[in-house]
Amino acid sequence: AQSVTQPDIHITVSEGASLELRCNYSYGATPYLFWYVQSPGQGLQLLLKYFSGDTLVQGIKGFEAEFKRSQSSFNLRKPSVHWSDAAEYFCAVAVPYSGAGSYQLTFGKGTKLSVIP
Amino acid sequence: DGGITQSPKYLFRKEGQNVTLSCEQNLNHDAMYWYRQDPGQGLRLIYYSQIVNDFQKGDIAEGYSVSREKKESFPLTVTSAQKNPTAFYLCASSGETDTQYFGPGTRLTVL
Repeated sequence: AQSVTQPDIHITVSEGASLELRCNYSYGATPYLFWYVQSPGQGLQLLLKYFSGDTLVQGIKGFEAEFKRSQSSFNLRKPSVHWSDAAEYFCAVAVPYSGAGSYQLTFGKGTKLSVIP
Repeated sequence: DGGITQSPKYLFRKEGQNVTLSCEQNLNHDAMYWYRQDPGQGLRLIYYSQIVNDFQKGDIAEGYSVSREKKESFPLTVTSAQKNPTAFYLCASSGETDTQYFGPGTRLTVL
């Protein structure tokens, strides 16, 4: 079965510093990979996704992620963090349901980002 | 505006009661999903539906039930059989791009 590991439960960075959130997945084939962001008490917003092609993916709000097959990783990065980036970030892997056209998402447990002004 | 709506935002339930959470989407998506979120646990799949009048159990379906009578609607009932229903519930839908989009969530609290 597929799984997603986000090793860092909580990260604190200073505003303007760079950010990297780690994500490792376990799946037999190349999965679809996603990063979502969640503000307290809100739903999840899609930041970016990787389906195929270029392994460096650009997303919204200045985020990017790089798929590294050899490391089974899909780390999220941002060169300069803003106070409004404080939120919880979830990595997810999508695998197809057998014989179906939709996909099952398996989520990591999330990384909470705090930003120091 | 296209999107997913969930209601109510907050819901309180007495022990032994069934409650129903609403999820509506106007994105013309075929697939819809219900997730449960607990602190530090990420999201876990309760039920999903790939098409009208069809749905399947996810990883934690015990104590929950769903229906899918219309493409736009996928209500979730939390039954009295669910022993620990206090959580944040998220509904999602997906279309041809295989990307799931989420609603704003419903926080259920058992009194």
